[in-house]
Amino acid sequence: GAGVSQSPRYKVAKRGQDVALRCDPISGHVSLFWYQQALGQGPEFLTYFQNEAQLDKSGLPSDRFFAERPEGSVSTLKIQRTQQEDSAVYLCASSLEASGFTDTQYFGPGTRLTVL
Amino acid sequence: TQLLEQSPQFLSIQEGENLTVYCNSSSVFSSLQWYRQEPGEGPVLLVTVVTGGEVKKLKRLTFQFGDARKDSSLHITAAQPGDTGLYLCAGNGAAGNKLTFGGGTRVLVKP
Repeated sequence: GAGVSQSPRYKVAKRGQDVALRCDPISGHVSLFWYQQALGQGPEFLTYFQNEAQLDKSGLPSDRFFAERPEGSVSTLKIQRTQQEDSAVYLCASSLEASGFTDTQYFGPGTRLTVL
Repeated sequence: TQLLEQSPQFLSIQEGENLTVYCNSSSVFSSLQWYRQEPGEGPVLLVTVVTGGEVKKLKRLTFQFGDARKDSSLHITAAQPGDTGLYLCAGNGAAGNKLTFGGGTRVLVKP
């Protein structure tokens, strides 16, 4: 079946612009995660949804970052007034179950955001 | 905050050689996962280890979880150019399934 898809794959924004990044998880997956991966680093957790409920947003770096998953499927990560330090790859992952520390997360290819 | 440190950061070897990547933490993890990530793609899960002292083998890859569940290693035997990539370890704590990733080890296997 189809995997996790993300769009756009690449986004260039001028400093101060707002951007919206989309994630289409695997159909039927309950859990959805967003991670930020800076160049040459491992991914860092941003936020977690269980269906439409945002259960953990402890990793969002500032109030300029906002994520939603209104119908429990597609999710959007929005960044307002982008700054150069926001430049990174934004990864989305989904997993089948609601919880469980051995549950497999399936990652999308990411959106590479460059803020000029 | 749970932190995972990977070493080395970069490893360049010739085809046929062996290599080991280490993942260490001062924290205990419920489980630890290893991923491989290629340029332009998301990480792909290789293995999950759960029990302290556990050893798992996946063809030429051997994964070990430390007895205290604070560290892990990945050993590749007779590396091939197809093993080239960024290897990431990720730990899962007691609270849900939020993953904490290490900084990654970039492996280059030259033919």
